[in-house]
Amino acid sequence: NAGVMQNPRHLVRRRGQEARLRCSPMKGHSHVYWYRQLPEEGLKFMVYLQKENIIDESGMPKERFSAEFPKEGPSILRIQQVVRGDSAAYFCASSPGTGGYEQYFGPGTRLTVT
Amino acid sequence: AQRVTQPEKLLSVFKGAPVELKCNYSYSGSPELFWYVQYSRQRLQLLLRHISRESIKGFTADLNKGETSFHLKKPFAQEEDSAMYYCALYTGFQKLVFGTGTRLLVSP
Repeated sequence: NAGVMQNPRHLVRRRGQEARLRCSPMKGHSHVYWYRQLPEEGLKFMVYLQKENIIDESGMPKERFSAEFPKEGPSILRIQQVVRGDSAAYFCASSPGTGGYEQYFGPGTRLTVT
Repeated sequence: AQRVTQPEKLLSVFKGAPVELKCNYSYSGSPELFWYVQYSRQRLQLLLRHISRESIKGFTADLNKGETSFHLKKPFAQEEDSAMYYCALYTGFQKLVFGTGTRLLVSP
């Protein structure tokens, strides 16, 4: 089991461009979580998804950010018209969603907006 | 409000010294608490959970409901313990709230 995969590991975007971050959960996991880690801050919950459903997006900024977890393929976190303040590490985690609380984390994507 | 507080950004100790990483929480329900660790260039991983009352790599953590704390302790720190440690609170609906993390640096 390769674990949670995220790509790209590093992403550089200019202000105004779009950033697409991908997350493939562990095999057999149907729950995906996205977190953001700003410099000098802890992990902040963004969104929780199950296949084809957004369960909780209370941590997502209201504009420019969206997430999906289609029936086939990875989960995508999309940031439109990026700004410098979006520069952060974005972590994805997955869980089987059945009883256990443990979340398995990916290596993260470090987004730099220039 | 559901909140996890880790007051120390950095904790620096010498090898063999005792370690205590502080974690306080705010939660109206019955808490489920965890410690996650991130070693250099590795992904975040679960270290231990209070419900299992286990000791992992010599670390233990006891839930103190009176003080709303879940401090992580180890009697004799090792250099390989140097890492970033996050305390996390399960708030239901498959959601975790993380603290800001404490960097532990163990010097020889």
